[in-house]
Amino acid sequence: NAGVMQNPRHLVRRRGQEARLRCSPMKGHSHVYWYRQLPEEGLKFMVYLQKENIIDESGMPKERFSAEFPKEGPSILRIQQVVRGDSAAYFCASSPEQLTGETQYFGPGTRLLVL
Amino acid sequence: GDSVTQMEGPVTLSEEAFLTINCTYTATGYPSLFWYVQYPGEGLQLLLKATKADDKGSNKGFEATYRKETTSFHLEKGSVQVSDSAVYFCALSNYGGSQGNLIFGKGTKLSVKP
Repeated sequence: NAGVMQNPRHLVRRRGQEARLRCSPMKGHSHVYWYRQLPEEGLKFMVYLQKENIIDESGMPKERFSAEFPKEGPSILRIQQVVRGDSAAYFCASSPEQLTGETQYFGPGTRLLVL
Repeated sequence: GDSVTQMEGPVTLSEEAFLTINCTYTATGYPSLFWYVQYPGEGLQLLLKATKADDKGSNKGFEATYRKETTSFHLEKGSVQVSDSAVYFCALSNYGGSQGNLIFGKGTKLSVKP
């Protein structure tokens, strides 16, 4: 059973470009979470999705950031018009259910560098 | 809102020393508590968890007990190894409050010297 997969592992963008980060959850998992880790910081929740639905986006910046989890294919975190402050590691996690104590399994992350 | 506070690092220990990393939380209701470990350049791996008061999570020689009376979940290991060098994150999930997303502490970097 493959783990959570994220690609690309490293992404370099210039200011103003778009960044697309992809996450394939573990097989059988229908819940996806995105987190951002700034340098020397802990992870901060961004958005929680199920197939075709955004359940909780309370951690997403109001502008430039969007996320989707289509019926087919990976979950996508999209950052438009990137700025240097978007440089961070973005982690995706998945779980089979949303139950108390359910473990979230993390991918290896995408490290975004904005020049 | 819910929050997690863990001791600041970095923590530097000699091999075979005893490890404690303190973690306290603030949450409504009955959160579940987790310790995750992050090795350099990698994602987070679940180390252990506890879902109710007085539960003890354990794995690879690490253990932590869910103490509701002190709102704590301190991580301990009796004898650390060089391979334990990593960043350790305490986290909680609380379906009564945060809808299940994990809330993390800032992380504690552990370096173990031979």
